[in-house]
Amino acid sequence: EIVMTQSPATLSVSPGERATLSCRASQTVSGNLAWYQLKPGQAPRLLMYGVSTRPSGIPVRFSGSGSGTDFTLTISNLQSEDVAVYYCQEYADWPGSFGQGTKLQIK
Amino acid sequence: EVQLEESGGGLVQPGGSLRLSCAASGFTFDDYTMHWVRHLPGKGLEWVSLITWDGGTKHYADSVKGRFTISRDNDKSLLYLQMNSLTTEDAALYYCTKDSTGGDYGDYFDYWGPGTRVTVSS
Repeated sequence: EIVMTQSPATLSVSPGERATLSCRASQTVSGNLAWYQLKPGQAPRLLMYGVSTRPSGIPVRFSGSGSGTDFTLTISNLQSEDVAVYYCQEYADWPGSFGQGTKLQIK
Repeated sequence: EVQLEESGGGLVQPGGSLRLSCAASGFTFDDYTMHWVRHLPGKGLEWVSLITWDGGTKHYADSVKGRFTISRDNDKSLLYLQMNSLTTEDAALYYCTKDSTGGDYGDYFDYWGPGTRVTVSS
């Protein structure tokens, strides 16, 4: 089983600044990495798949990068609506596994 | 627009049962594998179960195997999760999710419902 580790657990960023969220896999997942955004009372939203591909409707200020075992989700020009918990998920090794999440707050 | 809407959650005593439902719309339901994923309080997300487009293949997490049963009604675009012998460890927000890959599984989840909460307590 691949173990996904996210850091930091909580991140506080000022509006307009950049947030950098990290996700590390215990073994290589190649390009099989997705990110999700979870807000209370709402359906979770797919933000990124294949490491760096944004689904239709996801703002360009969300970007993904990385390869192998180390991945990053970057949110530029942070907005108040970006307050959420973000999870990475590998799908290289079925059924896939999630990280423990990073809670993003506005400073 | 793809929409998934779960229902059936609630308060149940340990050892009890619940049946969750998920109504799907906005896509060809019987083209896709569907999953249940749960969000455990204070913890993270855990994949629970999947069912392929035709119901021919079903898989379960070890934590629910033998107690939960997934099913679907393609005529009505409904997904179900029958949960028996519930324990406090099963208390969570349960999400219905759509597999991104038609006809197969093992990929990411491109659409989720808002979830239905299951509380297990005496």
